Amino acid sequence: QVQLVQSGAEVKKPGASVKVSCKASGYTFTSYYMHWVRQAPGQGLEWMGIINPSGGSANYAQKLQGRVTMTRDTSTSTVYMELSSLRSEDTAVYYCARDPEFDYWGQGTLVTVSS
Amino acid sequence: EIVLTQSPGTLSLSPGERATLSCRASQSVSSSYLAWYQHKPGQAPRLLIYGASSRATGIPDRFSGSGSGTDFTLTISRLEPEDFAVYYCQQYGSSPRTFGQGTKVEIK
Repeated sequence: QVQLVQSGAEVKKPGASVKVSCKASGYTFTSYYMHWVRQAPGQGLEWMGIINPSGGSANYAQKLQGRVTMTRDTSTSTVYMELSSLRSEDTAVYYCARDPEFDYWGQGTLVTVSS
Repeated sequence: EIVLTQSPGTLSLSPGERATLSCRASQSVSSSYLAWYQHKPGQAPRLLIYGASSRATGIPDRFSGSGSGTDFTLTISRLEPEDFAVYYCQQYGSSPRTFGQGTKVEIK
């Protein structure tokens, strides 16, 4: 069965970076693009970007351009989302979700940014 | 960017009642690439409807989606206790992908 398993919760200081992983199983990793979505406390869902696990190309939400990088490792069927220059507003639960309709989601990773 | 506006913000209903949720797009959604998700606290969102009206695998038939162009609707025919949650629409016909702000369905 399809599974997306994310890395564990992180606590970071403002200005630091965080890298969240999402390991896929149960399907052909390179056949489906992967998205990252986040939800800040009390807020709605925010699309962050998409990566093509086959070629590695990525496309990011404009507001995160320059701070977010999405990569993949085909040998382990894992995609990564790295967010730099963290600020308190980046405190959120981060999800990976499979393209195109987001039919499968990771369990979520809480990233807390606090001094 | 396509802006999705959901209404109402909160829907207060009793179990057994019918829920009608609206999602309006600022411009036409390509090929009805509109999806609905259910989101409960502490859980990942769950895909309910894709292609505006197709139920995802395992979704009960009390959930139905309709609409095209700029106006879409999610209907829950008879609310079960487990249906009280936040519901989001999302368009996946153009980039960037966008979500509506959500409709909370709460117990009256």
